[in-house]
Amino acid sequence: NAGVTQTPKFQVLKTGQSMTLQCAQDMNHEYMSWYRQDPGMGLRLIHYSVGAGITDQGEVPNGYNVSRSTTEDFPLRLLSAAPSQTSVYFCASSPGTSYTGELFFGEGSRLTVL
Amino acid sequence: DAKTTQPNSMESNEEEPVHLPCNHSTISGTDYIHWYRQLPSQGPEYVIHGLTSNVNNRMASLAIAEDRKSSTLILHRATLRDAAVYYCILRDWDFGNEKLTFGTGTRLTIIP
Repeated sequence: NAGVTQTPKFQVLKTGQSMTLQCAQDMNHEYMSWYRQDPGMGLRLIHYSVGAGITDQGEVPNGYNVSRSTTEDFPLRLLSAAPSQTSVYFCASSPGTSYTGELFFGEGSRLTVL
Repeated sequence: DAKTTQPNSMESNEEEPVHLPCNHSTISGTDYIHWYRQLPSQGPEYVIHGLTSNVNNRMASLAIAEDRKSSTLILHRATLRDAAVYYCILRDWDFGNEKLTFGTGTRLTIIP
């Protein structure tokens, strides 16, 4: 069972570069989301999606774009990377759109912006 | 937004029960209380969740106060593999806008 797969696991960018963090799930989950985790802190919600074609902002959306063209994939785009975006990024999914469902997390993508 | 408060760290001896507290005094009526744990260099892992009644599963038990302003995650017999950061979170669906808020987390150390 693959679950939630994130790529790449590690990435180094220069300020101003753009890139996309990929997230794919094979559990047919409607809900997907992206979080960032800074050192010594909990996770903060960036964007989330309750189904294909539907996305919404979380707590810290600035500097990030998302799209959801299929149920399986939910890529996170950094348009112009900044050092403040150095963080570990986690993608998660859950069945349905009910807030009662458990979240399944990927292993994370560690991003460094120089 | 509802927030949670947890102790920064706790220690417990191996094979003894562990009680991890969480305060959520501003919890709303439709907030579910979720617990996740995170091992080093891994994504968070679901442990348990509940609304009002106490809940049990193979990993742990969740005790929820009658006024729902606090909860306690209970690990019945801690092992070294339970050493992790434990997060208590409230999953709130407010008018369709999810405001998932992670607490500060409790770093649990298990003493052999």
